[in-house]
Order: sequence, then C-alpha cells, then structure tokens
Amino acid sequence: DTAVSQTPKYLVTQMGNDKSIKCEQNLGHDTMYWYKQDSKKFLKIMFSYNNKELIINETVPNRFSPKSPDKAHLNLHINSLELGDSAVYFCASSQAASRRAQYFGPGTRLLVL
Amino acid sequence: GESVGLHLPTLSVQEGDNSIINCAYSNSASDYFIWYKQESGKGPQFIIDIRSNMDKRQGQRVTVLLNKTVKHLSLQIAATQPGDSAVYFCAEIPQAGTALIFGKGTTLSVSS
Repeated sequence: DTAVSQTPKYLVTQMGNDKSIKCEQNLGHDTMYWYKQDSKKFLKIMFSYNNKELIINETVPNRFSPKSPDKAHLNLHINSLELGDSAVYFCASSQAASRRAQYFGPGTRLLVL
Repeated sequence: GESVGLHLPTLSVQEGDNSIINCAYSNSASDYFIWYKQESGKGPQFIIDIRSNMDKRQGQRVTVLLNKTVKHLSLQIAATQPGDSAVYFCAEIPQAGTALIFGKGTTLSVSS
C-alpha cells in the first residue's frame, strides 16, 4: 500500500501555464508538507498544513497556492509557471507530535520549457 | 542561508567498510537532529534522529553522534552495503518551528 502518493510523477509544460500537483496520504497523519528540491538536490520547505490549516508558508511566490480539502490531501497549484520553477516537488506527512519523522512521497518532476 | 550543512558532497567506500558522513550545524536551539536517506528517483526516508540533550544514539547498523561543543553531527554506517548507496541529508527541527531544515546532502557510493 502506498503511504504518500503524488500525481503526476512527471510534468512537462510551457512557461506561463497553470498546473496542479496532487498529494494523498493514507497514514492518518494530521500534518502535511510540500518541499522543493532543486537541481543541486537542496531540499527546502514550502508549506505545511496541520488539520487542513496552513501553519508554515515560507518565502514562496504567491503563484504557488496549496489547498487542503481534507486531512489526507494537500494539493499544490502553480500559476504562470516560470523556468525557475523546474524542480522536484515532494509531498510529505507526519503526526504533528512526530514531525521529525516525515514520510515523503515519490516526488513530481516538473520541467518548465 | 541554511543552518545545517555538510562537510563533503561525496563519499566513496568499499562494500563492508564503515562509512562516516558528517554534518555541521549552526542553530544550537534545535530540539532534534535527524538523518534522511534519499535513493535515486525516490523521496527522502527517515533513518534515525537524536535529541539535542543526547550525544549518541544507535540503530540497526547506524549510529548518530552529536557533538554540541563544535556543533557537529555524524552518521556512521557499519558494514556498508551497495543498498546504502544514496544521498544522505542531515536535518534539524528548530524549537519553535514545525518543518525540517535540511542540509545539502552527501552522496554515498558503495562499490562491490
């Protein structure tokens, strides 16, 4: 059984387009996250949600908008895609009390042309 | 810039050797320090953590050492296997925060 799943796995799109990445976890966790990993493998937190409420919003352009319809889902919508948005985006989840042990999804590889 | 960093970007070892991956941190107020493993094409995976009031913690074939005096964290892998080949990240949890702050990662290559 997949614990944290993301769709799509690969996303190739043109500059200026709007795209969404979906994330679902079946672990019963109350906290979900979005991370961005750049070409140098550096991982950086973008957003964190606890029980559907935004609790962390790092310095991320407002073209990025997370949405949590329920505790098991955290989707990421990106408007007006730019070349610099090309990266691997990881969704993760944890219990708030055990946030050091996060479960990551397989990643979505976004390439903006 | 990030507060957790790595000494070396790559480490190559022979199968069966012991591996030591190092990390320097600057945020002394962090509650926990954590190691994650990321295999090629996959998401990071939790390996082991250590609370800031400890200096050593052992897991299965892995040991994490924390030296608060010099703000140094290390991950020791005993009898390294080809399946240990991956990128290893140290990370920390700031006391007041909820998200992981990752270091830059060390690529471990294990040859048979």
